[in-house]
Amino acid sequence: GAVVSQHPSRVICKSGTSVKIECRSLDFQATTMFWYRQFPKQSLMLMATSNEGSKATYEQGVEKDKFLINHASLTLSTLTVTSAHPEDSSFYICSARDRTDYEQYFGPGTRLTVT
Amino acid sequence: GQNIDQPTEMTATEGAIVQINCTYQTSGFNGLFWYQQHAGEAPTFLSYNVLDGLEEKGRFSSFLSRSKGYSYLLLKELQMKDSASYLCAAMDSNYQLIWGAGTKLIIKP
Repeated sequence: GAVVSQHPSRVICKSGTSVKIECRSLDFQATTMFWYRQFPKQSLMLMATSNEGSKATYEQGVEKDKFLINHASLTLSTLTVTSAHPEDSSFYICSARDRTDYEQYFGPGTRLTVT
Repeated sequence: GQNIDQPTEMTATEGAIVQINCTYQTSGFNGLFWYQQHAGEAPTFLSYNVLDGLEEKGRFSSFLSRSKGYSYLLLKELQMKDSASYLCAAMDSNYQLIWGAGTKLIIKP
């Protein structure tokens, strides 16, 4: 149980375009979803926390107009990287938390490359 | 402020035992997590401690001392596949995870 999927697993896009990443909890209801970014050989950096039906809370230094997060249902959250630039190339990982548990279940991650 | 400290890198020999330490300072405390992350992959859950003491799970054990703000992950009978980064994360009073930078564990034959 407690499976989280992400789509796509890899994406290459051109500078200036937008990319949407989906995060789904497959067998539980995720009241809270988290979006992380990880650069090579660095630790996870929390970008934002989203609760179903409400606006996401962004960490300091993360541009909310550039990284649009939508958590429309208890099983789906999306992250849209708008007007992507090469410096946005990174490994984006989502995690989801069950309303009955404090453990975060991680998706497999999405590797974004902006050319 | 909130802070997690763990060693950057450790090296151990196949078949041996290694202990990865983690100290934490958080606003409130709701438990300590350990995750394993292989290169290019997402983290996977290893353990959760909220009470003092040792939790054993197969070859892996995790220890917590709340009074000392200290935890360790103990890996026994090391295998080459255990080469990975090990992330320590403390949950604060808002149930948010505060992450350490991770410890890269290198296993040598």
